Amino acid sequence: GDSVTQMEGPVTLSEEAFLTINCTYTATGYPSLFWYVQYPGEGLQLLLKATKADDKGSNKGFEATYRKETTSFHLEKGSVQVSDSAVYFCALSSSGSARQLTFGSGTQLTVLP
Amino acid sequence: GAVVSQHPSRVICKSGTSVKIECRSLDFQATTMFWYRQFPKKSLMLMATSNEGSKATYEQGVEKDKFLINHASLTLSTLTVTSAHPEDSSFYICSARTAGGYSDTQYFGPGTRLTVL
Repeated sequence: GDSVTQMEGPVTLSEEAFLTINCTYTATGYPSLFWYVQYPGEGLQLLLKATKADDKGSNKGFEATYRKETTSFHLEKGSVQVSDSAVYFCALSSSGSARQLTFGSGTQLTVLP
Repeated sequence: GAVVSQHPSRVICKSGTSVKIECRSLDFQATTMFWYRQFPKKSLMLMATSNEGSKATYEQGVEKDKFLINHASLTLSTLTVTSAHPEDSSFYICSARTAGGYSDTQYFGPGTRLTVL
């Protein structure tokens, strides 16, 4: 079945540091890939998405490229801010009609001033 | 756009009572809504997929008689936790997928914290 493997956390960085959170997937067909962010006590917010190979999703300085050859969708940001502290989830959408999301385990990011 | 609301945001109830959680898509129609459960510091666990006007599809291990899901309209789905017990205490999150065409983006509600005493 589909699965998402996400970099273990927690990750602690200083403000303005470079961020990479690794995400790899296993899926049949051609899934869409997502990054969601969850702030404390809140639901998930869509951060970015990519629907086909070589697509790059970007939002708020975050980027991720859909790499079919390596089955990866790593999240990057060149300069993190304290306000980026949150839990980040990588997810894929199955190719079936229900298009259910399969989530990675989540990575806690803490950015220190 | 694509805002999903949940009500209530927090609820505390006594063991044995039932609790209803509402999930609404505020500015779009959602033919499909999903209900998730999240344990502390854990990922989301899909409980069921709810399609408007039809019975929900439950994931393996989720008791359909305990977690009643109703998707009566294109903007509203409800989850009722019946005869709640302390082990049902959790963070429940719904999501909605936009209707029409090929769409696989889910928009999430802010979640409901359920505490069963």
